[in-house]
Amino acid sequence: AQSVAQPEDQVNVAEGNPLTVKCTYSVSGNPYLFWYVQYPNRGLQFLLKYITGDNLVKGSYGFEAEFNKSQTSFHLKKPSALVSDSALYFCAVSSRFGNEKLTFGTGTRLTIIP
Amino acid sequence: GAVVSQHPSRVICKSGTSVKIECRSLDFQATTMFWYRQFPKQSLMLMATSNEGSKATYEQGVEKDKFLINHASLTLSTLTVTSAHPEDSSFYICSARDRQRAPYSNQPQHFGDGTRLSIL
Repeated sequence: AQSVAQPEDQVNVAEGNPLTVKCTYSVSGNPYLFWYVQYPNRGLQFLLKYITGDNLVKGSYGFEAEFNKSQTSFHLKKPSALVSDSALYFCAVSSRFGNEKLTFGTGTRLTIIP
Repeated sequence: GAVVSQHPSRVICKSGTSVKIECRSLDFQATTMFWYRQFPKQSLMLMATSNEGSKATYEQGVEKDKFLINHASLTLSTLTVTSAHPEDSSFYICSARDRQRAPYSNQPQHFGDGTRLSIL
């Protein structure tokens, strides 16, 4: 079975400050990891993924995430937060890239304070 | 980029009504579509996997007679909530997998914008 934990329901960051949204995972075999963002009453928008290769992956809107195998983590980061980054963020894992099901974390609401 | 259209975006209806939600892939063929349900302040719960031309695979605990899924073409899957009751009120989201690009695609699933279902 695969699972994802997002330990923080809510993260508040001042505009311009760096932000981190935490994610840890559990999966058999190699993990395929994803971050999605959701705005109110909308579906999910893809931010970035880790499949293989460099542990630091860069994605949309200036976001990046660092894969840490020993800590089974995949934290989302951004060097300088914008108010428009305020949204609900989901981490997801799959044990195989492609047709398989994604398992989502419970989400972290990120609020950027002007 | 790949676009998934979900319709309607919002529906309000009386208890006992059946409601159909459509999920269309606009610029790619999707052999597989996924249906999720999202409760307030909670994550997405996978309800079923819809495969074109075959029966859907339902997750444990999801009533297949309650949530009817049809995936008759490579670009359309429908979810029908039969005899809906207030406890079925939720946000339903579909996603689709691009059949041709999947092995190389930037992302495994493309999501629709969801349907807010409210049963009175």
